[in-house]
Amino acid sequence: EAGVVQSPRYKIIEKKQPVAFWCNPISGHNTLYWYLQNLGQGPELLIRYENEEAVDDSQLPKDRFSAERLKGVDSTLKIQPAELGDSAVYLCASSLDRDYNEQFFGPGTRLTVL
Amino acid sequence: KNQVEQSPQSLIILEGKNCTLQCNYTVSPFSNLRWYKQDTGRGPVSLTIMTFSENTKSNGRYTATLDADTKQSSLHITASQLSDSASYICVVSASENYIPTFGRGTSLIVHP
Repeated sequence: EAGVVQSPRYKIIEKKQPVAFWCNPISGHNTLYWYLQNLGQGPELLIRYENEEAVDDSQLPKDRFSAERLKGVDSTLKIQPAELGDSAVYLCASSLDRDYNEQFFGPGTRLTVL
Repeated sequence: KNQVEQSPQSLIILEGKNCTLQCNYTVSPFSNLRWYKQDTGRGPVSLTIMTFSENTKSNGRYTATLDADTKQSSLHITASQLSDSASYICVVSASENYIPTFGRGTSLIVHP
């Protein structure tokens, strides 16, 4: 069975441009997470979805970041406009549900903002 | 504020040697603690998980320990291999909301 799929793997854009990341979780996983990981740091939670409902989004910079998970499956994370400080790896993870279960991570999207 | 501190920040060892990585946390109320391995350019992969009642868990050459009283955990790697070169991340979840708190990780390099 395929793991968590993310695309694109790499993205280079100029500042002030919009960018979107896509995530397809493991089939049957109700909980989906988006994380930001800077070089040499651990992942930081941006938002968590329980099915199609967004919960735990207190760390999401809502002035420029938005996310959606239509139909409770695939998810998209968008940044508009991107800033230089947004350069990082954006990881998507999924789990059966939020309680105790292991999170399975995708390979991430490495964003470079010039 | 929930925090997870890991040490050392980086570690270099020779192939075949053992090593121990440390994790201290202030997450409360405690639910579970995981150790993840993250290879360069890839997402983290879970190695072990421990709950409050468990004080040791093994996965092949990886052995994790947990002292819930002192809020400390360690990951011991036995007979290291070149493929063990990676970042090892300690993650602690609180039982009230299951939001995971990640440490910064320990970067391990195994030299031949």
